[in-house]
Amino acid sequence: DVKVTQSSRYLVKRTGEKVFLECVQDMDHENMFWYRQDPGLGLRLIYFSYDVKMKEKGDIPEGYSVSREKKERFSLILESASTNQTSMYLCASSPTGQGFNSPLHFGNGTRLTVT
Amino acid sequence: AQSVAQPEDQVKVAEGNPLTVKCTYSVSGNPYLFWYVQYPNRGLQFLLKYITGDNLVKGSYGFEAEFNKSQTSFHLKKPSALVSDSALYFCAVRDFRTNAGKSTFGDGTTLTVKP
Repeated sequence: DVKVTQSSRYLVKRTGEKVFLECVQDMDHENMFWYRQDPGLGLRLIYFSYDVKMKEKGDIPEGYSVSREKKERFSLILESASTNQTSMYLCASSPTGQGFNSPLHFGNGTRLTVT
Repeated sequence: AQSVAQPEDQVKVAEGNPLTVKCTYSVSGNPYLFWYVQYPNRGLQFLLKYITGDNLVKGSYGFEAEFNKSQTSFHLKKPSALVSDSALYFCAVRDFRTNAGKSTFGDGTTLTVKP
């Protein structure tokens, strides 16, 4: 069965810290995504990657960066955490085959609190 | 740019009654449409999709959705609601013209099914 694993369910960090959120998928998918979820705002795309070392900005990339050194792993980095980055972070993956008509597969999320 | 609207923040129905969760979209070209469900403290799970073909698509857990091109809508339906259907539902459109096939999500609709 398809599995997307996010390394932490809950994370509490202090303002100004550098924060790493890790995501691993076991399906050999080319595409990986980071979203943040906030009440009333739905899911907003932060960054995505369509191949190893290939990445593109999503709709709200400010304050974030990403790394994809291996196909199965996609890391989200908060360079200097701020309180407005307190949120639920969701990682997802999908294959490229069949012209993107496949759904996204999501991890269970990381709830980050920045104090 | 593509967009998705879910006009209702909340939908409440009685168990056994039919339910509808509304979604409208805006895209250039043919839409790739998806419905996902999210249970508390979990990631999103895929329910069903419309890519091409019959306007009525069937998915998991007895859900179905009707694609209406003239009204640019993709409403989620179920003939008889269960209490266990209570969850947060997201409609999404996938842009197959972009690298990785970016998905844009609606803000979500909370479905409450009362016993």
